[in-house]
Amino acid sequence: QMQLVQSGAEVKKPGASVKVSCKASGYTFSSFDINWVRQATGQGLEWVGWMNPHSGSADYAKNFQGRVSMTRNTSISTAYMELRNLRSEDTGVYYCARGFGLGNGEDWFDPWGQGTLVTVSS
Amino acid sequence: SYELTQPPSVSVSPGQTARITCSGDRLGDKYSSWYQQKPGQSPALVIYEDDKRPSGIPERFSGSNSGSTATLTISGTQAMDEADYYCQAWDSSTAVFGGGTKLTVL
Repeated sequence: QMQLVQSGAEVKKPGASVKVSCKASGYTFSSFDINWVRQATGQGLEWVGWMNPHSGSADYAKNFQGRVSMTRNTSISTAYMELRNLRSEDTGVYYCARGFGLGNGEDWFDPWGQGTLVTVSS
Repeated sequence: SYELTQPPSVSVSPGQTARITCSGDRLGDKYSSWYQQKPGQSPALVIYEDDKRPSGIPERFSGSNSGSTATLTISGTQAMDEADYYCQAWDSSTAVFGGGTKLTVL
């Protein structure tokens, strides 16, 4: 079955960077977008951006532009999200999710990874 | 920026019908989707393209979208349906989520 497995929890200091991985299995990795969604503790869902594993192209939410990069290694079916210049407000769980849809880039998200907790604290 | 508004909480008795609304400007002109999140778990898609159910989602889950409101309806609500529910739509190439609704089955 389709599955996304993410890397483990991270603790970072303000100003540092974090790179989270998301390994896909059970489907053709390069055929579906990978989206990233953040959830602060006890809060709602916030879209971070998406990446096309086939082309490598990516698009990011305005709140994250300039600080986030999404990349991939197709040989191991793994997507990465790097967030730079971390601040305390970036603390939360980061999810990757496979995007599928009508081919216009407006995906629905299924399945989701198990989430990676990123804690930013001095 | 585009906003989707959901009620913070909805309560329903077991076996009854729960309706969770999601409001946004001309939301009916866009496709809506719904995600269920149980405590300590990742979100899971329950409705996409307004009214379609992914495989494995029970028939008691249904969706509609018209005008400025999308609605998730759970018929014959069960205790296992207690969760947070988030609506989602796309606007200007950005995925937007509603603030979430906590469904309590009591």
